[in-house]
Amino acid sequence: GQQLNQSPQSMFIQEGEDVSMNCTSSSIFNTWLWYKQDPGEGPVLLIALYKAGELTSNGRLTAQFGITRKDSFLNISASIPSDVGIYFCAGRNNAGNMLTFGGGTRLMVKP
Amino acid sequence: DTAVSQTPKYLVTQMGNDKSIKCEQNLGHDTMYWYKQDSKKFLKIMFSYNNKELIINETVPNRFSPKSPDKAHLNLHINSLELGDSAVYFCASSRRGINEQFFGPGTRLTVL
Repeated sequence: GQQLNQSPQSMFIQEGEDVSMNCTSSSIFNTWLWYKQDPGEGPVLLIALYKAGELTSNGRLTAQFGITRKDSFLNISASIPSDVGIYFCAGRNNAGNMLTFGGGTRLMVKP
Repeated sequence: DTAVSQTPKYLVTQMGNDKSIKCEQNLGHDTMYWYKQDSKKFLKIMFSYNNKELIINETVPNRFSPKSPDKAHLNLHINSLELGDSAVYFCASSRRGINEQFFGPGTRLTVL
């Protein structure tokens, strides 16, 4: 089946640093989504991408839909302690409403 | 004003029991989903359901069944619980054909 490889698996950074994470797929996706999950909560949608090459921002977060349609990137600028959590990429192809999720990137921010 | 809610938040039960988890959404969405998140945080789709179509992930055992009394609810029934069913189960919803899914807070199921 489809797989999404998300990296890095975890990051420990200093407050104020910028963060980059990415997701690659073995097949083409038509939609990429980025979610954040806080401990004990459900994932919350951060950014949705619908076109190859699309670059979309949400505050300090910027995500891009890769040109090959097989990857996506999420950047967080000037990290703050509340950015701590697990970030998931998710992709959808033409085969229905099902989303495939990456394994997550656990972000830890040191004040 | 909770968008997607689930009950219970925690569920501890013995192996072999049958249990249900309830999900309700007040977003007016017509498609709902169940996901399983294991101890390594991998999120896996179990079911996608709207009033016309149930899509089942083929890896889900038939001990799991979704039941939808109406468009705003999708409950998850689990028969003959096994140790490996221990996980956090998330309900989600979206508008049909729209990719943006909104998740509930999760139900942590522990099977002893």
